[in-house]
Amino acid sequence: AQSVAQPEDQVNVAEGNPLTVKCTYSVSGNPYLFWYVQYPNRGLQFLLKYITGDNLVKGSYGFEAEFNKSQTSFHLKKPSALVSDSALYFCAVRDNTGGFKTIFGAGTRLFVKA
Amino acid sequence: GAVVSQHPSWVICKSGTSVKIECRSLDFQATTMFWYRQFPKQSLMLMATSNEGSKATYEQGVEKDKFLINHASLTLSTLTVTSAHPEDSSFYICSARPPGVEGYGYTFGSGTRLTVV
Repeated sequence: AQSVAQPEDQVNVAEGNPLTVKCTYSVSGNPYLFWYVQYPNRGLQFLLKYITGDNLVKGSYGFEAEFNKSQTSFHLKKPSALVSDSALYFCAVRDNTGGFKTIFGAGTRLFVKA
Repeated sequence: GAVVSQHPSWVICKSGTSVKIECRSLDFQATTMFWYRQFPKQSLMLMATSNEGSKATYEQGVEKDKFLINHASLTLSTLTVTSAHPEDSSFYICSARPPGVEGYGYTFGSGTRLTVV
C-alpha cells in the first residue's frame, strides 16, 4: 500500500535562511510524488511534482524538491525563506494501481520568522 | 489550466439538516472526482471517489448513507451531508482529474468549511 510520512509536525526557520521540509514515501512501483501548500481556510495549491526525469524538480514560488530513490525521500526545499511562505505543506503520492487516489502525508507547518 | 470550483466556500447549518456541496470542473470534463475531509491541524483524508454515471466508491469507515455523492454530469459532483451533526464540522475539499494527462492530481477546489451548530 502507498504511504507518505512527514516526520516533522513543524519547521521553524528565519527569513532569508534555507528551508527543508522532509517527506519519505513507500510505494510499489514508480512513485508519482507531489507537494502542496495550504493557507488557512483555503484549498490546496499545487507546488510541484515528480513523475520521471531529473531528480531535482523546480516548482512554484521558488520551491524545489529532490527525489532520492535510494532513500525513498522527496524533501521540499527553498534557498531563501520568506515570511509569506509560512503555511501548511503536504507531501503526497499518487496511487497508480488503477484507482488514481492521492495519499497525503500528515502535513508540516512551516513558520518563517522575520 | 484545469480549474475546479467548489461551492459554497463556507456554510453553517443546524443539527439534523442536510447540506449540499458542489464541485465543478470549469474547463474540462471529469469522469472522476475525489472528496476529501480535513480535520483541524490534520491531513486530508480521502472520503470517496466519485465516478460519473455510476456509484461512488467510499473509503473504509465512511458512511455512504450519511455522505451522499452524486456525479450526474462530467462537470459536476455533489456531496450531501445528511442529518448533519456537530462532529461533521470539517473542511471538505474536492479534486477533479483532468483527462489523459500524466501527472494530474493537482486540481483541487478551494474547499468548503462546514460548521454544524
